[in-house]
Formats: sequence, structure tokens, C-alpha cells
Amino acid sequence: NAGVTQTPKFRVLKTGQSMTLLCAQDMNHEYMYWYRQDPGMGLRLIHYSVGEGTTAKGEVPDGYNVSRLKKQNFLLGLESAAPSQTSVYFCASSRGTGDYSNQPQHFGDGTRLSIL
Amino acid sequence: GENVEQHPSTLSVQEGDSAVIKCTYSDSASNYFPWYKQELGKRPQLIIDIRSNVGEKKDQRIAVTLNKTAKHFSLHITETQPEDSAVYFCAASRYNFNKFYFGSGTKLNVKP
Repeated sequence: NAGVTQTPKFRVLKTGQSMTLLCAQDMNHEYMYWYRQDPGMGLRLIHYSVGEGTTAKGEVPDGYNVSRLKKQNFLLGLESAAPSQTSVYFCASSRGTGDYSNQPQHFGDGTRLSIL
Repeated sequence: GENVEQHPSTLSVQEGDSAVIKCTYSDSASNYFPWYKQELGKRPQLIIDIRSNVGEKKDQRIAVTLNKTAKHFSLHITETQPEDSAVYFCAASRYNFNKFYFGSGTKLNVKP
């Protein structure tokens, strides 16, 4: 099993361009998440999804949109990229909490995005 | 929302010594506390976690302690080795869609 796969691994954009980051998981996980990681700030939640067709905002959602049309995929979109969105983006997935216990999140390898 | 603070931001120890990283959280309803290790350029990987119904958990050289009253939890690494060098993140979560709030990370350097 591949686990959580992110594409692309690297990308350079110009200010104002748009792009979509793809996250795919093969563990049949219910929940999926997008984080950004900046130096000295840990991981900050952008958006998350608790199931196919559902999405919700995290801590830093502005400037990003997401979609979860299929259970195994979670897409992160930047409509008009800004230099402040230069970061490393991580996708994660986890089992649902149907048994009322929290579940560990499994991360992808990350996408390094630079916006000039 | 939850606020997780992590200290120290950097930690340098000699091989064989112990290392301790501490985190505090603000939401008394948080009940799950995982620790992640992230090597340079790699993904964060779960190394140990603890739930609020226990006070301590061990896995070989790694242990985590939880003090719910004081709202802090700590990662203990004994007999450190150079391969333990990495950035370590703590996180806290309450039962609500499994949302994690991460600390800012501790860069551990184990000197041979």
C-alpha cells in the first residue's frame, strides 16, 4: 500500500496563477486534512473533510478551496496564488472516530510550493 | 480553540543522554495527545500517543507522560542516538472530527 500520496512534490508559481494539489489515500480512511508548514510555526490546518462530499474550514482557510468528490481523494486549490502562500503543504488522513476515540493521522510526503 | 505550546524550540544533547520535550494545552476537553517525528525533508511520522485515561505510556526508549490537571504532557527519550535527531511535534485533540492542534516543534540534535 502506498498510504498517502501527494502530487506534485515541487512547484513554482507566479503571483496570481492558480493550481491544484492532489492528495490520494488507499487506506479507506474517512477523514482527510490539508496542512501548511512554515518555519517555526508547526503544522496549521487549512481545511479538512470528514467524508466524501463534505469539507470544513480549519485555522487558516483564506485563499484556499478544497473538494472531496471521491473518498480517496482530497484536492487543495489556490485560485490566485500569493507569495504568503509559499510553504510546504502536507495532506493527512485518518480513520473516522465512530468508536468515540481519536485516531492518529497519517501524512503524505508533502508538496513544496514557491510563489514568486 | 485549542492552543498548544511546546518547549524548548531547540535541544542539543550528547549521545546516550536523555531528552525531554514539554507541551502545554489550553482546552481541558482535549483527550488525545500524539507525538510526531519529522526528519529533514520527510513527512511527520507518529512515534507515540497517549489518551487521557492513562498517565504514562512507554515504547522502548520513548515514553510520554500526561498531567491532565496541569494540562501538560511530555516526551521522554532515553539513551539518545544520532538517528533520534529530528524535529518533534506534539499535538492535542478532542473528540470532534479528529482535529489536531500542533505545537511549534522542537529540533533535537544528538551529538555523537
